[in-house]
Amino acid sequence: AQSVTQLGSHVSVSEGALVLLRCNYSSSVPPYLFWYVQYPNQGLQLLLKYTSAATLVKGINGFEAEFKKSETSFHLTKPSAHMSDAAEYFCAVSVKNNDMRFGAGTRLTVKP
Amino acid sequence: DAMVIQNPRYQVTQFGKPVTLSCSQTLNHNVMYWYQQKSSQAPKLLFHYYDKDFNNEADTPDNFQSRRPNTSFCFLDIRSPGLGDAAMYLCATRQGGKTEAFFGQGTRLTVV
Repeated sequence: AQSVTQLGSHVSVSEGALVLLRCNYSSSVPPYLFWYVQYPNQGLQLLLKYTSAATLVKGINGFEAEFKKSETSFHLTKPSAHMSDAAEYFCAVSVKNNDMRFGAGTRLTVKP
Repeated sequence: DAMVIQNPRYQVTQFGKPVTLSCSQTLNHNVMYWYQQKSSQAPKLLFHYYDKDFNNEADTPDNFQSRRPNTSFCFLDIRSPGLGDAAMYLCATRQGGKTEAFFGQGTRLTVV
């Protein structure tokens, strides 16, 4: 079965610094990969998705992620953190059987 | 415009008293999911519908059931809520396996 592993349950960066949130996947077939953001007491909002087209995917709010098959990774980056980026981030994987499974999440803190 | 609507946003129920959470969608998506999310944890898939086909996760307790009377609506029934069932319940929809899932705002369930 497919799964994702997010390295680091908490990441803290200074405002203006690079954001890097790590996600590695495991799948026996080509996966579809997603990053979602969740603010307190809210549902999940899609940041970006990889569905076998371009390996470098650009999303909302200045985030992007690169699919690297050789490393089985789909890390999320943003060049310059903003205070409003503080939230919980989830990586998710899906294959053809329609289910969608999430990683454990990474809480991003942005320091002034 | 809300596309996946969960009602209510907050639900308080008594220990052992049946409770139903509802989800509706205006997207006409064929897949609907129910996730359970406990504090600071990843959403855990309980079950999903692909059209009318019901798919139950192996570790979903029998206490949890679901109904999907038509494309637009899906219900989560908890027959005898325990204190451990207190969580955020997230509904999501999706069109097929390649696209992203759209989430509702969630229902936070408290068991007293």
